Formats: sequence, structure tokens, C-alpha cells
Amino acid sequence: SQQGEEDPQALSIQEGENATMNCSYKTSINNLQWYRQNSGRGLVHLILIRSNEREKHSGRLRVTLDTSKKSSSLLITASRAADTASYFCATDASGGSNYKLTFGKGTLLTVNP
Amino acid sequence: DAGITQSPRHKVTETGTPVTLRCHQTENHRYMYWYRQDPGHGLRLIHYSYGVKDTDKGEVSDGYSVSRSKTEDFLLTLESATSSQTSVYFCAISAVGGNQPQHFGDGTRLSIL
Repeated sequence: SQQGEEDPQALSIQEGENATMNCSYKTSINNLQWYRQNSGRGLVHLILIRSNEREKHSGRLRVTLDTSKKSSSLLITASRAADTASYFCATDASGGSNYKLTFGKGTLLTVNP
Repeated sequence: DAGITQSPRHKVTETGTPVTLRCHQTENHRYMYWYRQDPGHGLRLIHYSYGVKDTDKGEVSDGYSVSRSKTEDFLLTLESATSSQTSVYFCAISAVGGNQPQHFGDGTRLSIL
């Protein structure tokens, strides 16, 4: 079963706008990661947030984590056409095997010029 | 980009034939993973390796086997391919464990007719 689930499934915005994607998960985690996938390519790691962190920034990316609600959000500010991609959250399972990540089904972001 | 090469990049074969996909890394990372990506299912773990000759099953391992005889190579074999194994297969590597960032290859698109 999927540990992380992204919402919405698809998002279409204009260049310059902000994009927010959400991820919900079911069990306790050690950390949560966000990845980007451009069409026809492999996933690229964006950011990792640990379970004891509430917010993390990297360039135009802002990630929040609410462990009480078992949810995370990824905010991309001032979006660009090059941000068009699918975005996935991935979680481990606290207390379980630390070898593995479980990925959600992704949010397809389209940024229109 | 992390040095990960998947081969072949595309393959079309017939039901019942054996198929082997190769993942080669130049990063000397300990952990290697095979995923499949299908519409509506996201990314699902097939098998992973935590060292030479050390492998374990993932979420969707039925019909697949793996081998890792040296650090740099991780092979995925479909002993007798079925149409349900038509998918895009991704290899990933990680230096220090699965709940840390993973680096992905660009995938193998496999079609089984």
C-alpha cells in the first residue's frame, strides 16, 4: 500500500505564480523527501526534511512537515516553465527497514509561459 | 549527475522470453534499488541490495529476480516475461541507506507483447 499520497494529482498555473503540493502519509516516519521527475527522465532528489523539523528551504522551494497530521507540503515560489514536471513525496517507515522508501503517485505540475 | 547507467533504454520482447536489465554505477554506493513505474501506481520497489550478494524483496517482487556480484552492477531478471510486466523500470542508488536521498537512472522502457 502507498505510504505517501500527493494532492492534487494535477496542477496547472501561470509562470510567476506559486505552486503548492501536499503529501499525506499513514505511519510514523524518520524523514520525508520530495523528488522531481521531468518527462522521460529519472527522479531527482529535491529536499529532505526530518521528523523533528517543521520547515525547510532550498532556493525557491519551501517544505513543511506536520507530523501530528501526517502531512507535508511543497511550495514552489515564482514558478517557471522549467518547473513543469511530476513531483513525488517519499517516506521511510520509522521502526521499520531503513533501507527503503515508499513513493506516492505524484502531482503533475504544468507551468504555462 | 550521479553516474548511473541503465541498459537497455528501450526493449520490446515477447511473452515468455527471459529479459535482463542492467544497472551500472560509478559512485561506489552500497545500496541499489529496482523500481517499476506504472500509471496510477506511482513508483513501486521490486528488489533492493544492501551490499554485494545481499539482496531483499520489495513490494512487487513476484516474477522478478536480481543479482549483485559486484558493487557497480545490479541486474534485474524477468525469467519468463508477461504482459503485466510492461513498464518503465528505474534503478536507484544510495550511499548510506534507503531513507537517505536516492539517485536515479533514466529508466528502461520495457514492452512485452
